[in-house]
Amino acid sequence: EVQLVESGGGLVQPGGSLRLSCVASGFTFSYYEMHWVRQAPGKGLEWVSYINSADSTVYYADSVKGRFTISRDNGKNSLYLQMNNLRAEDTAVYYCARDDPGPGGGIDYWGPGTLVTVSS
Amino acid sequence: QAVLTQPASLSASPGASASLTCTLRSGINVGTYSIYWYQQKPGSPLQYLLRYRSDSDKQQGSGVPSRFSGSKDASANVGILLISGLQSEDEADYYCAIWHSSAWVFGGGTKLTVL
Repeated sequence: EVQLVESGGGLVQPGGSLRLSCVASGFTFSYYEMHWVRQAPGKGLEWVSYINSADSTVYYADSVKGRFTISRDNGKNSLYLQMNNLRAEDTAVYYCARDDPGPGGGIDYWGPGTLVTVSS
Repeated sequence: QAVLTQPASLSASPGASASLTCTLRSGINVGTYSIYWYQQKPGSPLQYLLRYRSDSDKQQGSGVPSRFSGSKDASANVGILLISGLQSEDEADYYCAIWHSSAWVFGGGTKLTVL
């Protein structure tokens, strides 16, 4: 069974930092591209960042570029998101998501999410 | 103008069919994209429903009933999620998405009420 479990969320002051983690199981993590997607309270989904399977290509949404860093450790089946200089508008549930490497690809599994609250 | 536009809400009766639309911004041709659909229920992880590019290039999510299907209306530049035989458990938020310019773009979501 595919499982993605995020952790590391919490309350942080504006300008602060947090590191989110996502542990994957039930599939060969190193074969898959991964994403972080967030959802502000009561709002829709917003894609945050992408990393390819080899950790050689990353993309970021303009809203987080220069502040967030995505990374992975295939040996630990883990995905990370280092978030610096956090702002109130970064408050959201952050989801770890797997991208199907097959034809057509696409996000096919999501974790339950971890809540990040940026407030003084 | 948003890249993907979804109606905020839709209501339908049990047993009926519901068509959820996802309109692509002018200049972004629905014919060149796969449209992905996701379901979100309170307290549950997001679920991948299906991918639709064409009748010959589509994929159903694992365990997703066949009463969920995708299509396109090229004349309106719209992707469509059709849910037939509506059940109370289909009440949820539905999001469409495309991979565009090296980023996932999501629609704002449609809240489907089954009553």
